[in-house]
Amino acid sequence: GAVVSQHPSRVICKSGTSVKIECRSLDFQATTMFWYRQFPKKSLMLMATSNEGSKATYEQGVEKDKFLINHASLTLSTLTVTSAHPEDSSFYICSARGGGGGYEQYFGPGTRLTVT
Amino acid sequence: AQSVTQLGSHVSVSEGALVLLRCNYSSSVPPYLFWYVQYPNQGLQLLLKYTTGATLVKGINGFEAEFKKSETSFHLTKPSAHMSDAAEYFCAVRSPNTDKLIFGTGTRLQVFP
Repeated sequence: GAVVSQHPSRVICKSGTSVKIECRSLDFQATTMFWYRQFPKKSLMLMATSNEGSKATYEQGVEKDKFLINHASLTLSTLTVTSAHPEDSSFYICSARGGGGGYEQYFGPGTRLTVT
Repeated sequence: AQSVTQLGSHVSVSEGALVLLRCNYSSSVPPYLFWYVQYPNQGLQLLLKYTTGATLVKGINGFEAEFKKSETSFHLTKPSAHMSDAAEYFCAVRSPNTDKLIFGTGTRLQVFP
């Protein structure tokens, strides 16, 4: 149980375009989802926390207009990188946490974004 | 504020040797502590966690970690390394009152035959 998927696993887009990454909890309802960014050989940096049906809470320094997060259902959250630039190239990982007071986050396999 | 320090960005061991990955934390409240493993181009997999209770925690793949409050440490160990243990390992801390995980910078484990 507690499987989280991400789609796509890899994406290449041209500079100036937008790209959407999906994060799905496959066998549980995720009241909270998290989006992380991981630079090469670096740790994970929390970008934002999203709760189903409400606006995401962004970490300091993360542009909310550039990284649009939608958590429209209990099993799906999306991250849209708008007007992508080469510096947005990174590994994006989502995690999901169920309700009921549980604290454990379950991580997706990640999405490798390359902006050319 | 909470933080995590992982000493040693790279650790190399021979197959069959003891694995020791170090993690120290800073937290103003009793923390929840986690170790995750990441294989290349994959997400994170939980190895083990400490919340309350027994301070020696056993996880998957033969790993264990001991919470030592006096030393603010949560080092990860495995008695005998396997080639398949080669990966990136992340220590993380979470306050019981928040959702956020604070990750260390990671330690890359290499295992030589």
